[in-house]
Amino acid sequence: DAGITQSPRHKVTETGTPVTLRCHQTENHRYMYWYRQDPGHGLRLIHYSYGVKDTDKGEVSDGYSVSRSKTEDFLLTLESATSSQTSVYFCAISEFSGGSYEQYFGPGTRLTVT
Amino acid sequence: SQQGEEDPQALSIQEGENATMNCSYKTSINNLQWYRQNSGRGLVHLILIRSNEREKHSGRLRVTLDTSKKSSSLLITASRAADTASYFCATGQAAGNKLTFGGGTRVLVKP
Repeated sequence: DAGITQSPRHKVTETGTPVTLRCHQTENHRYMYWYRQDPGHGLRLIHYSYGVKDTDKGEVSDGYSVSRSKTEDFLLTLESATSSQTSVYFCAISEFSGGSYEQYFGPGTRLTVT
Repeated sequence: SQQGEEDPQALSIQEGENATMNCSYKTSINNLQWYRQNSGRGLVHLILIRSNEREKHSGRLRVTLDTSKKSSSLLITASRAADTASYFCATGQAAGNKLTFGGGTRVLVKP
């Protein structure tokens, strides 16, 4: 599992409330990613990080912000949750192997916004 | 937008048969990665094939890549009930090592 944990694993929250999801890795990987998975859409990249304090937007970044103050932690924040952000959120890291970067995923966080 | 598109969307086979699924993409890539996801679970990395490779094997898995056609295929030989899952292709870009996923193929292996 590449030493990736996500917390919480399940969360139910109300529309308009802030929510922060945490991704923690133990193997000092430089690259970290947040994706969301919705039925019929596969996984879509929200934000990614290529080092401490270095982050960039992905395909579906609106309504989300991220922070990376330590190598091991990558936080995803929904400033004001909406029902359209109900989804399963996956964190990932990139690991260099055989000349290319392979991505490995955490177990996911199921978020329900009511 | 989805870079990779899988075909078929769903596949039902008998145990022991081979399962083949295809992935097409639109822009140039650095690599292509295949993942398996069991229902309600996380993604498991299966295999990565680089843009300068044409075929790769891992156990009962065989992946091909045709960059001229912008397509890849995943073959699972001698399928087992435990292979029942969704399979996703993801194209990797050099910049940021970002992946773009397709919508997946749902495979059902009947015992």
